[in-house]
Amino acid sequence: GENVEQHPSTLSVQEGDSAVIKCTYSDSASNYFPWYKQELGKGPQLIIDIRSNVGEKKDQRIAVTLNKTAKHFSLHITETQPEDSAVYFCAASQENFNKFYFGSGTKLNVKP
Amino acid sequence: GAGVSQTPSNKVTEKGKYVELRCDPISGHTALYWYRQSLGQGPEFLIYFQGTGAADDSGLPNDRFFAVRPEGSVSTLKIQRTERGDSAVYLCASSPRGFNEQFFGPGTRLTVL
Repeated sequence: GENVEQHPSTLSVQEGDSAVIKCTYSDSASNYFPWYKQELGKGPQLIIDIRSNVGEKKDQRIAVTLNKTAKHFSLHITETQPEDSAVYFCAASQENFNKFYFGSGTKLNVKP
Repeated sequence: GAGVSQTPSNKVTEKGKYVELRCDPISGHTALYWYRQSLGQGPEFLIYFQGTGAADDSGLPNDRFFAVRPEGSVSTLKIQRTERGDSAVYLCASSPRGFNEQFFGPGTRLTVL
């Protein structure tokens, strides 16, 4: 089965700095990669996703890059704000199978 | 519009008891998923419904766990003879037909004493 590894487990940045979270996956058949933000006591919320037919996707301050050859993908948050503080999860799946395999999460702390 | 809702938000039970956890998906979403999230970990897949049928139940840990979705909307996750190791947050997600995006509910925190 698929194995998704995520690092770092914790990340502390100063407000306004950039944050980068990295994930690797093992199954070359995976072709859909969402990122979720989870705040304390709430369910995960989709923030951005990427499919294997593109290498990069951007939405305002958030971007995701994908390297299929190396089987890794990354989340980039620029101009971080205190409200970005949360736990972020990456996931991988095959589009026709729908089962998500999640990483273990990164706790991001943005210091004002 | 309303998102995915789950009830109860918290459930405390004793070892050996039976529990039911309910999920109301987003209206019109045909796919429904259950995940289990242990403290400090990412969600782990349990079961996936497409309509009324379980399309993939490979994540259910053992035969004490069972889920139904009789009318293709609301789903119930049932756990028999609960054990302390079942303590976790149980998350439900739904997605519309033909799309990969999964929308999660707030979860039910299950504590087995």
